[in-house]
Amino acid sequence: GQQLNQSPQSMFIQEGEDVSMNCTSSSIFNTWLWYKQEPGEGPVLLIALYKAGELTSNGRLTAQFGITRKDSFLNISASIPSDVGIYFCAGRFGNQFYFGTGTSLTVIP
Amino acid sequence: GAVVSQHPSWVICKSGTSVKIECRSLDFQATTMFWYRQFPKQSLMLMATSNEGSKATYEQGVEKDKFLINHASLTLSTLTVTSAHPEDSSFYICSAPGSGYNEQFFGPGTRLTVL
Repeated sequence: GQQLNQSPQSMFIQEGEDVSMNCTSSSIFNTWLWYKQEPGEGPVLLIALYKAGELTSNGRLTAQFGITRKDSFLNISASIPSDVGIYFCAGRFGNQFYFGTGTSLTVIP
Repeated sequence: GAVVSQHPSWVICKSGTSVKIECRSLDFQATTMFWYRQFPKQSLMLMATSNEGSKATYEQGVEKDKFLINHASLTLSTLTVTSAHPEDSSFYICSAPGSGYNEQFFGPGTRLTVL
């Protein structure tokens, strides 16, 4: 399968701080997606990116599709306690979705 | 939005037994469903693509005879872990594509523990 690497693997931040995480791949994807997963639940889609260079926001979240189509980043501004969870990037290849290694986010009140 | 359910949400079984996990699309039809496996603190790994009315497509390294997939209707796919062993213990998640190009709705997952 496809290999997507995320960094950092985990983050511990104070409430109100901004967060940045990124995802790189050895393969080109036509679509990048960012998901959030909470313990014991399935992932929930946060942002979808369709074009190289695209910058898209969803509330406090901003994500960009890298020009090379092999990377993407996600920023969260002014973090709050409910942002806690594991964030996964995913690349779409044909009709299948391949997930990154995940970034675990802990927000300290 | 579209809802995907899984049953059971958790199961504990003895080594050597078989376990069936159901994935249902509750308010939409899904000709394709995906099965993922997730170990603790790790990513989701695509196991197979379930196709209604035809054979499933398995990812490299996934044993077809070990993980039996049946997609008998447009709203139901099942994953059967045959002759389960402790190393099969994991979180199994299914998903189904929605009408939008990048829509994919995930089930809540099934926690399998094999003793």
